[in-house]
Amino acid sequence: GQQVMQIPQYQHVQEGEDFTTYCNSSTTLSNIQWYKQRPGGHPVFLIQLVKSGEVKKQKRLTFQFGEAKKNSSLHITATQTTDVGTYFCAALTSGTYKYIFGTGTRLKVLA
Amino acid sequence: GAVVSQHPSRVICKSGTSVKIECRSLDFQATTMFWYRQFPKQSLMLMATSNEGSKATYEQGVEKDKFLINHASLTLSTLTVTSAHPEDSSFYICSARPIYEQYFGPGTRLTVT
Repeated sequence: GQQVMQIPQYQHVQEGEDFTTYCNSSTTLSNIQWYKQRPGGHPVFLIQLVKSGEVKKQKRLTFQFGEAKKNSSLHITATQTTDVGTYFCAALTSGTYKYIFGTGTRLKVLA
Repeated sequence: GAVVSQHPSRVICKSGTSVKIECRSLDFQATTMFWYRQFPKQSLMLMATSNEGSKATYEQGVEKDKFLINHASLTLSTLTVTSAHPEDSSFYICSARPIYEQYFGPGTRLTVT
């Protein structure tokens, strides 16, 4: 079945450093979404990417969809302690209605 | 944004008993809701898709008779864990999709003793 892997699994950064998580699918995607889950909380929607090569920005967050629509990345510039949490990508394959969540990347920011 | 509520937030039950978890969309109608299970420090695993007025669609490996799903109205889906055992202890989260993004409920932490 479809697999959605994220790397790295964990990342510890000093506050102010940049952070990137990568999401890779074994199949071509219709679209991809990104979510953030704070410790003890539930996933919160961040963004959706649909077009090949699409790049979207939200303040310090930059999201990119690969040209082949099989991978995506989330980059955070100058991390802050409020960025702590687990970042999940969720992938939708053409012809299906359900999103498959990636394995997640847990980010810790050291002050 | 859209709001999804879940009740209860935490439940502790004895092995062999059944537990019902409610998922409500508060400010929109949801013909489809999704039930996930999340183990500590792991990803969300889709258990089933709840369809209003019809049977739920279960993912491979999820026991239909153990995890009963009822979607009786456009704003309410329930998940009943029947004859719960300690291995069923987990974080259960529902979600609904008014347009394209999923809105998640706050989750229910189930502990079976």
